[in-house]
Amino acid sequence: EPEVTQTPSHQVTQMGQEVILRCVPISNHLYFYWYRQILGQKVEFLVSFYNNEISEKSEIFDDQFSVERPDGSNFTLKIRSTKLEDSAMYFCASRGDGNRGHEQFFGPGTRLTVL
Amino acid sequence: GEDVEQSLFLSVREGDSSVINCTYTDSSSTYLYWYKQEPGAGLQLLTYIFSNMDMKQDQRLTVLLNKKDKHLSLRIADTQTGDSAIYFCAEKLGNAGKSTFGDGTTLTVKP
Repeated sequence: EPEVTQTPSHQVTQMGQEVILRCVPISNHLYFYWYRQILGQKVEFLVSFYNNEISEKSEIFDDQFSVERPDGSNFTLKIRSTKLEDSAMYFCASRGDGNRGHEQFFGPGTRLTVL
Repeated sequence: GEDVEQSLFLSVREGDSSVINCTYTDSSSTYLYWYKQEPGAGLQLLTYIFSNMDMKQDQRLTVLLNKKDKHLSLRIADTQTGDSAIYFCAEKLGNAGKSTFGDGTTLTVKP
């Protein structure tokens, strides 16, 4: 079965640095999402993206965050100036249309550690 | 707004049944999901139920939905040590909406 992939699996960065987390959604999917999970806490919605624009975002997704679909396959999350509290697991998800159109398929996640 | 609540821990003996409970607040939720997360891993969709259903069975998994009480449960029959993980309940409004997750229930299966 096709799957969502994410790179890197673990990213360590210094506070104040920019990071880009990468995702390759399932190839025929049209809707893309980022979620994050701070260690020991629940999975939180960050942003959804469709037709080359943000369709919904949460309070967490402030001006420090941006998303982009730079080509036909990648979907990226950029954090401009990382803070210690950005340390978390970041999950990308995608979904298509049709019978399974309600299902979001999650990637394995990128663990971001901000020092 | 949406809110999803779960009890945090459950411990069972191998071979017993596990029942993980979840309550949600948004009565317009269309889909309700159960995800499994093993240590250091991503989210694996186990099963889901549409809001117009009361029950769904999938091999060892049984999902029960009480819409009136906004209560969802996941029963795992013949629980195995490999079932030890964190189980997340999630709700979603329609196809397009984001998923709202509960805190997760850590299931520990003792031999």
